[in-house]
Amino acid sequence: EPEVTQTPSHQVTQMGQEVILRCVPISNHLYFYWYRQILGQKVEFLVSFYNNEISEKSEIFDDQFSVERPDGSNFTLKIRSTKLEDSAMYFCASSEFFGTKYFGPGTRLTVT
Amino acid sequence: RKEVEQDPGPFNVPEGATVAFNCTYSNSASQSFFWYRQDCRKEPKLLMSVYSSGNEDGRFTAQLNRASQYISLLIRDSKLSDSATYLCVVNRGLRGGADGLTFGKGTHLIIQP
Repeated sequence: EPEVTQTPSHQVTQMGQEVILRCVPISNHLYFYWYRQILGQKVEFLVSFYNNEISEKSEIFDDQFSVERPDGSNFTLKIRSTKLEDSAMYFCASSEFFGTKYFGPGTRLTVT
Repeated sequence: RKEVEQDPGPFNVPEGATVAFNCTYSNSASQSFFWYRQDCRKEPKLLMSVYSSGNEDGRFTAQLNRASQYISLLIRDSKLSDSATYLCVVNRGLRGGADGLTFGKGTHLIIQP
């Protein structure tokens, strides 16, 4: 069964550093998403991406965040200057048009 | 009012019992409704979509009441492997396929042998 993959599984970074989280969505999917889950909290929507542009973003997705699809397979989330409160599990998801959203296994980001 | 509200539990239920979860949502523009399951430190996985007519998938039955903005999940003949956190999820209500999802905080279920 096709699946969404994410790398790395765990990233430790120092406050103020830039991080890039990588995702490979399911190959025939057209819609891509990033969500985050702070430990013990709910899963929160960050951004959706379609046709090489952002479709929707939440209030969490401020100027420190950016997304990119640099080639035909990868989908990345960049955090320019990490803060302690960015520590969370970041999930990538993908879907066909109006289809089920499949989540990747997540990247645990720890900001020290 | 919280966007998607669920009883966090935990629900401690003996194996073989029937258990029911409920949630309410505040966004009247939401058109798609789901139950996801999340195991500890894992990604959310779709359990089932929820339709106004009600739908069943094996031991799982989901119901939606749009007028009351209320969603339910019933698990019959519970198994030890059903132990997980159950997430009530609605779409954000925007048009188009790129609509994001709004999650509840989840209801923690523990099935006891």
